[in-house]
Amino acid sequence: NAGVMQNPRHLVRRRGQEARLRCSPMKGHSHVYWYRQLPEEGLKFMVYLQKENIIDESGMPKERFSAEFPKEGPSILRIQQVVRGDSAAYFCASSPKASGGFADTQYFGPGTRLTVL
Amino acid sequence: AQTVTQSQPEMSVQEAETVTLSCTYDTSESDYYLFWYKQPPSRQMILVIRQEAYKQQNATENRFSVNFQKAAKSFSLKISDSQLGDAAMYFCVYGQNFVFGPGTRLSVLP
Repeated sequence: NAGVMQNPRHLVRRRGQEARLRCSPMKGHSHVYWYRQLPEEGLKFMVYLQKENIIDESGMPKERFSAEFPKEGPSILRIQQVVRGDSAAYFCASSPKASGGFADTQYFGPGTRLTVL
Repeated sequence: AQTVTQSQPEMSVQEAETVTLSCTYDTSESDYYLFWYKQPPSRQMILVIRQEAYKQQNATENRFSVNFQKAAKSFSLKISDSQLGDAAMYFCVYGQNFVFGPGTRLSVLP
């Protein structure tokens, strides 16, 4: 059973470009979460999605950031017009089920390191 | 909002010795999960152990065990017989809304 997959592992963008990060959850998991990690810090929650639905986006910046989890295909975290402050590691996690507050164990992908020049 | 505190930014332990990492959290909920995750240099986030708040018995996973004190809102991780491969950042996580603590960097000395 393959784990959570993320690609690309490393992404370099110039200021003003768009970044697209992909996440394929573990087989049988229908809940996906995105986190951002700045150097020497813990992960900060961004968004929680189920298939075709955004459940909680309270951690998402209001502008330039969007996420989707379509019926078919991976979840996508999209950052438009990137700035240097967007440079970070972005982690995706999945879980098989979740109640309110997504309490179930989450399994993490290897992360995508975004560098904005 | 829930918060998670890890008061030890860095810890070190001699190989084969025991080390305890501390964690406290703040919540008004009565039922929740707590986790410890480790992040080695590869940056892969790996689940170490999970505790359900309604269970009084402390969780154990091989050399890893927790001391869960619900009233004190304390959730420490004990690593026994430390190995070089245990060197990593360790994050305490409050399961409702997956709130991460700031982490403790553990070094294992040969």
